[in-house]
This record gives sequence, C-alpha cells and structure tokens, in this order.
Amino acid sequence: EPEVTQTPSHQVTQMGQEVILRCVPISNHLYFYWYRQILGQKVEFLVSFYNNEISEKSEIFDDQFSVERPDGSNFTLKIRSTKLEDSAMYFCASYAYMNTEAFFGQGTRLTVV
Amino acid sequence: DQQVKQNSPSLSVQEGRISILNCDYTNSMFDYFLWYKKYPAEGPTFLISISSIKDKNEDGRFTVFLNKSAKHLSLHIVPSQPGDSAVYFCAAANAGGTSYGKLTFGQGTILTVHP
Repeated sequence: EPEVTQTPSHQVTQMGQEVILRCVPISNHLYFYWYRQILGQKVEFLVSFYNNEISEKSEIFDDQFSVERPDGSNFTLKIRSTKLEDSAMYFCASYAYMNTEAFFGQGTRLTVV
Repeated sequence: DQQVKQNSPSLSVQEGRISILNCDYTNSMFDYFLWYKKYPAEGPTFLISISSIKDKNEDGRFTVFLNKSAKHLSLHIVPSQPGDSAVYFCAAANAGGTSYGKLTFGQGTILTVHP
C-alpha cells in the first residue's frame, strides 16, 4: 500500500538553528499539508500546499516557517531559527484529488534544546 | 480553538463489548467528519468518514453516526478487540475553497480494550 514517508524520525537541534523536515507524499496526490502535535496537545494544522503554492496557513506558520516542493516528489518544512516551543511531532499529510481521506506520515519528532 | 471537542480523555472497555467514542463540534460549515486512530510513534491512520449530508456510515466493525442538529458525532466499534487500543481522533473538514482538506482535530480519546 502506498504511504507517506517522513525523515528523519527524530531530530534534535539547538535553539536558533535551522531545521528541514522532509516528506515524500504518495505519488499521485495533489494536496499537501503539515500538522504538528505538541506533547499532550491537539494535532494542529500548520499549512496546506497545492499547485506549488501555499493554499492556507495557520497563525502558527509565521515568517520562521516555509514549505517547498523542490523536485516534484519531496515536500519540505523549514524552520529558520528554532525556538524551544517548536518542539513537537510534525506530521506530513497528502490527499488525492477530490478525496476526503488524508494519508499521514509517521511523523518527525523535533526536539529543540 | 475549540471547534472540535472530544470530552472524554479516556475510555476502557472489555473485549467483545461495544466502544463508543464521542465528538462535538461548533462550526456548522464543516462538510465532512473523519475518525483517525493513532498508535504511539506513528502517524494518524484513517478509519472512517461521514459526509455532513448523511447520518450514518458503516465499515465492518466501525460505524460513525452524525447528529447535525446536536453537532455531535460518535464512533461505534463492535466488537471491540485488544488491537483497537489506541488514541482516537475526531476531525472535521471543508470540501471546498482554500481550506480544502484542512483537518481540525479534537483532543483525542485513549481507548483501552481489556482482554
């Protein structure tokens, strides 16, 4: 069964450093999303991406965050200068066209120290 | 943001019995609702969904009921199995516009099914 894959599974970084979280969505999917879950809290929407541009972003997704689909397969989330409060599980998700089921990756645990 | 709420943080059920997980929402503009299951160290896995124009959808042991007037949905698992033990998330979404597919999640309910 096709799946969304995320790398790395765990990333530890120092505060102020840049991190790039990578995702390979399912190949025929057109809609891409990043979500995050801070420990003990809800899964929160960060950003949606369609047709090579951001469709919608949440208040969390400030100037420190950016997304890119550089080569038609990878979908990346960059955090320019990490803060302690960025520590969370980050999930990538994708949809096929006109489908209602989002497929999620296994997540990247980001720990900012 | 409390648009989707799961008021029970946990539920414990005996194997073979019914598990009922509940979810309430406030935004009447949601077009469809989904249930996801999540194991530790894994991403959410889709279980079942329901359109806002329906009141019931069934898939094997899983049935989702939607009560639009009460803005309430529930997931029934019958019979419950120990392998069903996981965190269950209710989510809601819009089918159109720039918010297409954006999921708003509840807090999750930890289901434990005892053998």
